[in-house]
Amino acid sequence: DTAVSQTPKYLVTQMGNDKSIKCEQNLGHDTMYWYKQDSKKFLKIMFSYNNKELIINETVPNRFSPKSPDKAHLNLHINSLELGDSAVYFCASSKELAGEAYNEQFFGPGTRLTVL
Amino acid sequence: AQSVSQHNHHVILSEAASLELGCNYSYGGTVNLFWYVQYPGQHLQLLLKYFSGDPLVKGIKGFEAEFIKSKFSFNLRKPSVQWSDTAEYFCAVNARTGRRALTFGSGTRLQVQP
Repeated sequence: DTAVSQTPKYLVTQMGNDKSIKCEQNLGHDTMYWYKQDSKKFLKIMFSYNNKELIINETVPNRFSPKSPDKAHLNLHINSLELGDSAVYFCASSKELAGEAYNEQFFGPGTRLTVL
Repeated sequence: AQSVSQHNHHVILSEAASLELGCNYSYGGTVNLFWYVQYPGQHLQLLLKYFSGDPLVKGIKGFEAEFIKSKFSFNLRKPSVQWSDTAEYFCAVNARTGRRALTFGSGTRLQVQP
């Protein structure tokens, strides 16, 4: 059983298009994240949701809009794609206990986005 | 703000050699510490984690790490590497309370030659 799944795995698109990446976790976790891994393998947080509420929004362009319809899903919609958006996007989830983070984050397989 | 430094960007070892990858972090509060591994073309997998207690933690595949609070370090070690350990290794931290997102180091590419 896949714990954190993402679709699609690969996404190739033209500049200016709008695309979405979907993430689902079946771990019963209450916190979900989007990370971006650039061409140099550097990983950086983009967004975090806890119980469907946005709690972290890093300095990400407004073209990126996360949406969490329920605790098990966190989708990422990207408008007006640019060349610099090419990267691997990882979804992750974790469980909090008593308001403190004592658990690791589980990562999805990643979505490799290529903008031409 | 948190920051994580990994000093070794690219390490090349022969099989059976010992490995130590350095990781230092900067943060004023209590942190959780992690090492993740990313095999070529794959997602991040947890190698080991430290929350509290014994500062020497053992993970999967024979890896271990030692938390030295006074040095803000969490170095990863393995006594004898195998060709299958070829991968990218990431050190990461997050705050015990407040911001949960992981802050990653820049990664260390380990290449093990047979």
